[in-house]
Amino acid sequence: EAGVAQSPRYKIIEKRQSVAFWCNPISGHATLYWYQQILGQGPKLLIQFQNNGVVDDSQLPKDRFSAERLKGVDSTLKIQPAKLEDSAVYLCASSSIGGAETQYFGPGTRLLVL
Amino acid sequence: SQQGEEDPQALSIQEGENATMNCSYKTSINNLQWYRQNSGRGLVHLILIRSNEREKHSGRLRVTLDTSKKSSSLLITASRAADTASYFCATDAKGSSYKLIFGSGTRLLVRP
Repeated sequence: EAGVAQSPRYKIIEKRQSVAFWCNPISGHATLYWYQQILGQGPKLLIQFQNNGVVDDSQLPKDRFSAERLKGVDSTLKIQPAKLEDSAVYLCASSSIGGAETQYFGPGTRLLVL
Repeated sequence: SQQGEEDPQALSIQEGENATMNCSYKTSINNLQWYRQNSGRGLVHLILIRSNEREKHSGRLRVTLDTSKKSSSLLITASRAADTASYFCATDAKGSSYKLIFGSGTRLLVRP
């Protein structure tokens, strides 16, 4: 079974530029999560999708971050414009329908904003 | 906001020794999970313990849960150099729509 795929693995941009991350979850997993992990901290949930609907986006900075999951499969997370404090690893995870009892994580995208 | 807080923040042990990490949380939970993160990689699920369970084993891992104290511990027995990683507890709070809240992690170093 293929795992959660993410791209790119690394991205370096300058502040005020925009960036997009892509995630393809495990086949059949209805729930998809985007996390932000700042160096030295645990992952923080940004947004949770159930199929193509948003379940929780309470911690997503909506003035600059957006995410979509068209057709309920893969997803993109966008930052526009980026700030220095957005430097972090962005992790995508998925879980099967029926709950998030076990989440499967992708390798993450490491973003550096200069 | 952080729900789980791990203790200690960092732990260094010799190969073959046991490693114990603790996690405290604030609200009632459905379950508590432990994840491992190797440097520069994604998280890997280790074990899940439900709120009505007190202890669970998986290979060299032993997890305990004390809901009255809102705390959990992860014991890794006979540690190996390959166990070097960061370990996070994550809680699935009641009424949270399966939203996991992660702690800040314990960084474990196992010296060969």
